Amino acid sequence: GAGVSQSPSNKVTEKGKDVELRCDPISGHTALYWYRQSLGQGLEFLIYFQGNSAPDKSGLPSDRFSAERTGGSVSTLTIQRTQQEDSAVYLCASRGGGGDTQYFGPGTRLTVL
Amino acid sequence: DQQVKQNSPSLSVQEGRISILNCDYTNSMFDYFLWYKKYPAEGPTFLISISSIKDKNEDGKFTVFLNKSAKHLSLHIVPSQPGDSAVYFCAAPRGSTLGRLYFGRGTQLTVWP
Repeated sequence: GAGVSQSPSNKVTEKGKDVELRCDPISGHTALYWYRQSLGQGLEFLIYFQGNSAPDKSGLPSDRFSAERTGGSVSTLTIQRTQQEDSAVYLCASRGGGGDTQYFGPGTRLTVL
Repeated sequence: DQQVKQNSPSLSVQEGRISILNCDYTNSMFDYFLWYKKYPAEGPTFLISISSIKDKNEDGKFTVFLNKSAKHLSLHIVPSQPGDSAVYFCAAPRGSTLGRLYFGRGTQLTVWP
């Protein structure tokens, strides 16, 4: 069984550009989370999707950040007008099958020049 | 606000000895805790968890201890091996076990031969 996958693995962009990061959760997992890890920091929660419920967006740092989850599966995190402080590793996790554990993907390293 | 704290950014231990990684939390509502292990360029992987109804949980060479009155938990690894060298994160979910996780900043464990 495949784990959580994320693409791209690395993204370098110029300040002011928009970026899209993709997450493919484990098949059948109903919960999906986005976190980010900036240099020297812990994992910072961004957004949480659970089934058809309204997502918990309480961790999004600004309105430049948005995420969607289509068909209850793939999710895309979009950052508009990127800033240098957006540089971080963006991690996606999924949970399902009645379990408590979140399973993480390998992350996307975003560098904003 | 850092609700889960790992005050030691690094720990160095000789192979065969015990590694003890510490974690403190401030939110008395937390009732479930997880430890994740992270290698470079990979996502965090779940290691072990503990519910607040227990004060100890053991899985192979990994044992987690919980002291609720002190709001403190620790992860013991014995015997430590070079392959255990990684960043270890302590985490706790808000509300039920299904919600977002609050992470500490991690402790880099280095096990030397």
